Amino acid sequence: ETGVTQSPTHLIKTRGQQVTLRCSSQSGHNTVSWYQQALGQGPQFIFQYYREEENGRGNFPPRFSGLQFPNYSSELNVNALELDDSALYLCASSVYNNEKLFFGSGTQLSVL
Amino acid sequence: GQNIDQPTEMTATEGAIVQINCTYQTSGFNGLFWYQQHAAEAPTFLSYNVLDGLEEKGRFSSFLSRSKGYSYLLLKELQMKDSASYLCASLDSNYQLIWGAGTKLIIKP
Repeated sequence: ETGVTQSPTHLIKTRGQQVTLRCSSQSGHNTVSWYQQALGQGPQFIFQYYREEENGRGNFPPRFSGLQFPNYSSELNVNALELDDSALYLCASSVYNNEKLFFGSGTQLSVL
Repeated sequence: GQNIDQPTEMTATEGAIVQINCTYQTSGFNGLFWYQQHAAEAPTFLSYNVLDGLEEKGRFSSFLSRSKGYSYLLLKELQMKDSASYLCASLDSNYQLIWGAGTKLIIKP
């Protein structure tokens, strides 16, 4: 158990819809990173939030957006869902400038 | 470009030793991570190397050569529960993790 929780665990959406995924950080962690992991691939970095501001972004379009709240929990929002967005979405929390990440169990998103 | 290479799949026998190799090319380097991921679960941290050499932690050891852009994860006394994917990740100059696709390790009795 890492202390990082994600909800929901599984989600089915249709193309064009919007989705919000949630993550609660481990106690004492102020940084949250989101990753997309396609089947058989390594995680791909989406973005990172520190003190409620985006602190780095990977190669994902603007329809992927996020928020971090004062309690350091976070949301990932994806608009205009596409079939290729089907993947495991992982949230990882850490202490800023400490590279060790603690992952949640992920949200498995299926876009039909 | 940035690239992490590791074998797609390996098979080993229970009780044996296996070495999983990883080569990396990233924009800058601030350390090399190994994570274990069981099917449909989150990755869990195994090791972090930033200096050359071998780091031993129980049955698992990790090695780094910065000049060669090379790392390996060594697993000893293999157990069936070690069947999982092993992910190599390099921390680049922006302190972002660049991940390999993972090595699926299959342990046979």
